[in-house]
Amino acid sequence: KAGVTQTPRYLIKTRGQQVTLSCSPISGHRSVSWYQQTPGQGLQFLFEYFSETQRNKGNFPGRFSGRQFSNSRSEMNVSTLELGDSALYLCASSLSVNSYNEQFFGPGTRLTVL
Amino acid sequence: GDSVTQMEGPVTLSEEAFLTINCTYTATGYPSLFWYVQYPGEGLQLLLKATKADDKGSNKGFEATYRKETTSFHLEKGSVQVSDSAVYFCALSGRSGGGADGLTFGKGTHLIIQP
Repeated sequence: KAGVTQTPRYLIKTRGQQVTLSCSPISGHRSVSWYQQTPGQGLQFLFEYFSETQRNKGNFPGRFSGRQFSNSRSEMNVSTLELGDSALYLCASSLSVNSYNEQFFGPGTRLTVL
Repeated sequence: GDSVTQMEGPVTLSEEAFLTINCTYTATGYPSLFWYVQYPGEGLQLLLKATKADDKGSNKGFEATYRKETTSFHLEKGSVQVSDSAVYFCALSGRSGGGADGLTFGKGTHLIIQP
């Protein structure tokens, strides 16, 4: 079974631009979560989607948004990029939203904002 | 809110040494607990999990026991190998009140095993 895939793997943008990252979950998984990983703040939860609905959102500004499609694929968008948005963005999928369901992570998208 | 505390390291050990990485947590309700491992340039891989008190998760020689009385989930391995060098993250999933919450992670422990 194929794992979680994320595209693109690397991205370089300049301040003020916007960016869209894509995530394809493991087949059959309906929950997709997004995390930001930085050396300073570590891993921080961005948001989670289940059945095309945002179930929960972390403490990030409104510039960060996402959506989920009917095939469970998900995208996240960051508008008006800032230097501090440079990070590894990780997507994770799980079967459902129960706490005992482990989340399977993709390799991440490395975003660099210049 | 929920939080996870773990030693950040780096932790440097010799091959075949005994490993303990401490993890304590603060959470409401009854969280599930996880250890994830991240190798350089890769995403996170689930190492083991425990979903209720006194459960022991184990995988690849690693073990951790869910201790509710001490709110801990320490990771142990009897004999480490060079290939175990990586960053290890302790995490919890709260999902209290039936809502959906993301994973709350510790800062990560960088483990270096020397031959």
